[in-house]
Amino acid sequence: EAQVTQNPRYLITVTGKKLTVTCSQNMNHEYMSWYRQDPGLGLRQIYYSMNVEVTDKGDVPEGYKVSRKEKRNFPLILESPSPNQTSLYFCASSLWGQGLTSGGDNEQFFGPGTRLTVL
Amino acid sequence: QKEVEQNSGPLSVPEGAIASLNCTYSDRGSQSFFWYRQYSGKSPELIMFIYSNGDKEDGRFTAQLNKASQYVSLLIRDSQPSDSATYLCLSGGSYIPTFGRGTSLIVHP
Repeated sequence: EAQVTQNPRYLITVTGKKLTVTCSQNMNHEYMSWYRQDPGLGLRQIYYSMNVEVTDKGDVPEGYKVSRKEKRNFPLILESPSPNQTSLYFCASSLWGQGLTSGGDNEQFFGPGTRLTVL
Repeated sequence: QKEVEQNSGPLSVPEGAIASLNCTYSDRGSQSFFWYRQYSGKSPELIMFIYSNGDKEDGRFTAQLNKASQYVSLLIRDSQPSDSATYLCLSGGSYIPTFGRGTSLIVHP
């Protein structure tokens, strides 16, 4: 089954304790990205990756790190989490980056989400 | 700063009616537009995409795009209670896709 998986689904942690949220896709997609979703603010992109070893900042990258060592995996790292990073996080993947096509077949597939609470 | 504007709602319609969801965008370079549906606490799922001016129909859904007015809409015919969700408009065409904040739709029996 084609899918994007994220782990953990729920996480409660304390300020300053490093954490990693994993993301994996089995569709051989080139493009992967991380979003956070907050009430009233919608989905905002944190980081994206066009391919292995190619990552770049989205709209809200502060406090986050990512890596893309393998095509299928794109972990999100919070080196020193703070309460303002409490949010719902989504990983997504698509065949290629949105900027490379004017067509609409470049659907983004979303993972199930990770609800993070930082105390 | 690229912006995608949506009325947050809620938009309340009776079962069987047509629901009309609207979206405006600021980036004239945007080439493709996507409508996602998101149930509370769940991940977004794609309903339709459109990249040419005019209408595109898929079952009960019709997407409309007017690039001159920088306007895209989604019509849902014969609305059902199961259509109650938040609808997100996505402007593509760049490496950082821009989502609107979403419109909450409530379909009441």
